[in-house]
Amino acid sequence: QSALTQPASVSGSPGQSITLSCTGTSSDIGTYDYVSWYQQHPGKAPKLMIYDVSDRPSGVSNRFSGSKSGNTASLTISGLQAEDEADYYCSSYTSITTLVFGGGTKLTVL
Amino acid sequence: QVQLVESGGGVVQPGRSLRLSCAASGFTFSTYGMHWVRQAPGKGLEWVALISYDGRNEYYADSVKGRFTISRDNSKNTLYVQMSSLTAEDTAVYYCAKDLGRSGWFFDGWGQGTLVTVSS
Repeated sequence: QSALTQPASVSGSPGQSITLSCTGTSSDIGTYDYVSWYQQHPGKAPKLMIYDVSDRPSGVSNRFSGSKSGNTASLTISGLQAEDEADYYCSSYTSITTLVFGGGTKLTVL
Repeated sequence: QVQLVESGGGVVQPGRSLRLSCAASGFTFSTYGMHWVRQAPGKGLEWVALISYDGRNEYYADSVKGRFTISRDNSKNTLYVQMSSLTAEDTAVYYCAKDLGRSGWFFDGWGQGTLVTVSS
């Protein structure tokens, strides 16, 4: 099972909105609405930000939103803040009963 | 509040074995599936294995299938992974993670990780 494809880096200015993409195949994102997004700050454990494509766990800011179209999922962060600077990973359940992550996107807040 | 504390990491020679543990607290351990996820130095996340809440079902990534065994002791609120035939490619920080409890395998609680270094 190949990793999901994410851009290596994305940048934005405070207050802007940015969208991170995550491309899979018909064996994962294209078939299942089991996409999630994780935020990881340097030296820290990941944190669940989005599950089931677009649901937010309790305590996660509503500035974070998720969506999916075909084989591609997206994470949008609105009102970008300095604290949002981190690595972001998408993941999806797969048809062979495994889970696959994307390679991660490093978000820089300019 | 979910608390997960991994232990057992260290330096191990290629071909040898190692067992990691994860002590859980702050939630009803016996009612949630549990995962191991690893992250090689400077690299991305890789899902390793899942065990169901009752220990009856196990799932593995192809990269570790046949070499790693996930298990749990619900009486001790502890998750394990037995790793054998280790190679340099298994060098990583190993995280245990709590399943959200929905279909789809989402991780809503993570430990701080334990570093495994496979080197001669």
